[in-house]
Amino acid sequence: DGGITQSPKYLFRKEGQNVTLSCEQNLNHDAMYWYRQDPGQGLRLIYYSQIVNDFQKGDIAEGYSVSREKKESFPLTVTSAQKNPTAFYLCASILADIQYFGAGTRLSVL
Amino acid sequence: QKEVEQDPGPLSVPEGAIVSLNCTYSNSAFQYFMWYRQYSRKGPELLMYTYSSGNKEDGRFTAQVDKSSKYISLFIRDSQPSDSATYLCAMKRGGGNKLTFGTGTQLKVEL
Repeated sequence: DGGITQSPKYLFRKEGQNVTLSCEQNLNHDAMYWYRQDPGQGLRLIYYSQIVNDFQKGDIAEGYSVSREKKESFPLTVTSAQKNPTAFYLCASILADIQYFGAGTRLSVL
Repeated sequence: QKEVEQDPGPLSVPEGAIVSLNCTYSNSAFQYFMWYRQYSRKGPELLMYTYSSGNKEDGRFTAQVDKSSKYISLFIRDSQPSDSATYLCAMKRGGGNKLTFGTGTQLKVEL
């Protein structure tokens, strides 16, 4: 069953805590993206990776970090420096201009 | 001013109605235009993908691009309650994969 798997579905962060959102794909796509979705603001690009061991900052990278050690995996860490982390986070992989999205992780602050 | 403007709605229509969803944009470099459908608490899924100006039809859905007016539309014929979702327009330049999204229009089709 091919696709993009994001976990967990819901995540709660305490003050000063780093949390990591998982994104795994078995579509054999090279490029993977992370977006943040807030009400009334659409999708905003956090980080993206075109190939393994390489990634670039998107439009709102501050307070986030990523790694791309394997083609299948592109985890996103929300650090304590991100002061307003409550949002819906979406991971996508890309093939031939088409972005395929996971089901998302909803992050809230305790 | 945002590069892509989209009315957030909500838009409420009766079952069977024709729905028109629209986006305007300011960057004339955009060449590829997409519509994504997003159900509540789910990831977006691609509905339509078009290149440059013109129309593209797929079943009950028609995507229209007017580059001279910087205006794109998605028409849904014979709308169904299952069409109730948020519709996001997205567009990109010729090179690379980076998309610029609209804020999304929330559509509700009522019985």
